[in-house]
Amino acid sequence: SAVISQKPSRDICQRGTSLTIQCQVDSQVTMMFWYRQQPGQSLTLIATANQGSEATYESGFVIDKFPISRPNLTFSTLTVSNMSPEDSSIYLCSVLGQGGGYTFGSGTRLTVV
Amino acid sequence: SQELEQSPQSLIVQEGKNLTINCTSSKTLYGLYWYKQKYGEGLIFLMMLQKGGEEKSHEKITAKLDEKKQQSSLHITASQPSHAGIYLCGADSLYGGSQGNLIFGKGTKLSVKP
Repeated sequence: SAVISQKPSRDICQRGTSLTIQCQVDSQVTMMFWYRQQPGQSLTLIATANQGSEATYESGFVIDKFPISRPNLTFSTLTVSNMSPEDSSIYLCSVLGQGGGYTFGSGTRLTVV
Repeated sequence: SQELEQSPQSLIVQEGKNLTINCTSSKTLYGLYWYKQKYGEGLIFLMMLQKGGEEKSHEKITAKLDEKKQQSSLHITASQPSHAGIYLCGADSLYGGSQGNLIFGKGTKLSVKP
């Protein structure tokens, strides 16, 4: 299965600033997914990122707030823009591997103060 | 839309005891995944089930998918402190395929008392 390196693992940010989270995959994958996990909650899909096209956002998430880049088949970034304390969450990237299983990054634990 | 309900929400067991976590779907499951998450960290893949009646085991963890493919269970035998964490079930969001994202249950928080 694919191996994902996600950075940073955690950060504490001031409100109003932005944070970019990176995910690097050790193999080429068509689809990458970005999830948010708010405190005490399960995972919610933010968007699906395909290489060469704009990301597809789920209801409640917009590109201006969560811009995503997917420059190639092994890399993607998610930016959390103009942060507020409500954005404090764990953010995870995920890929669908060739074997059919979904692999997740180790997560970015974001605290906005 | 598909929903997954997990039970129990939390569980505290004595080390060495067996336990079962359930995941029930409102629709037929075409791919059911079990993950373990340690506090504040990413998800560790445990098992994937696709066929009705399928059962898979890894070390002391066994996962089953019922014949109707609407319920899955995760059973841990002789629990250890290392089993502590949050267990999440996830299902493929697209009917009959695995090209979409996963929809997750709310998770079961397991604590194991030494």
